[in-house]
Amino acid sequence: EAGVTQFPSHSVIEKGQTVTLRCDPISGHDNLYWYRRVMGKEIKFLLHFVKESKQDESGMPNNRFLAERTGGTYSTLKVQPAELEDSGVYFCASSPTGSRRNTIYFGEGSWLTVV
Amino acid sequence: SQQGEEDPQALSIQEGENATMNCSYKTSINNLQWYRQNSGRGLVHLILIRSNEREKHSGRLRVTLDTSKKSSSLLITASRAADTASYFCATDTDNYGQNFVFGPGTRLSVLP
Repeated sequence: EAGVTQFPSHSVIEKGQTVTLRCDPISGHDNLYWYRRVMGKEIKFLLHFVKESKQDESGMPNNRFLAERTGGTYSTLKVQPAELEDSGVYFCASSPTGSRRNTIYFGEGSWLTVV
Repeated sequence: SQQGEEDPQALSIQEGENATMNCSYKTSINNLQWYRQNSGRGLVHLILIRSNEREKHSGRLRVTLDTSKKSSSLLITASRAADTASYFCATDTDNYGQNFVFGPGTRLSVLP
């Protein structure tokens, strides 16, 4: 069974440019999460989808970040325009519905460098 | 405010030694989990301990949880160079929400 996959694995862009990160959750997982770790700091929650709906987006830092989940399948996280402080690793995770305390499964991360 | 905080922030040991990392948190939790991140790689789930459990083992890993002190420890016995990684604790506070709060992590270096 394929795990959570993220694309691109690494991206280097200039300040002011746009980057779109993609996450494909494990097939059948309704829950999809985005987290990020910037500048070696703690890993922070960004948002949570249940199918195509945003269940909780309290962690989104500002309106330069836009997350979507088309048809409740894959998700994209767009950063526009990117700033230097956005550099870090963006993790996607998924878990099945109704899972009481199931572990969520993380992808390998998308490493973003803004120069 | 940060929920989980690991200490030490960095730890260097020799291969074969034991490594102990601690995690403290602020609010009541349902579960606490430990994850590992190898350099340039994703997060790997290590172990979950529920709030009503005090100790759990998995291979060379031993996790303890003290809810009265709001702290947890991760012990890796007989460490190997391959254990070199960052270790994070993550807490969650309700039964169905899975919006974990991670600490800043402990960077473990196991020297051959």
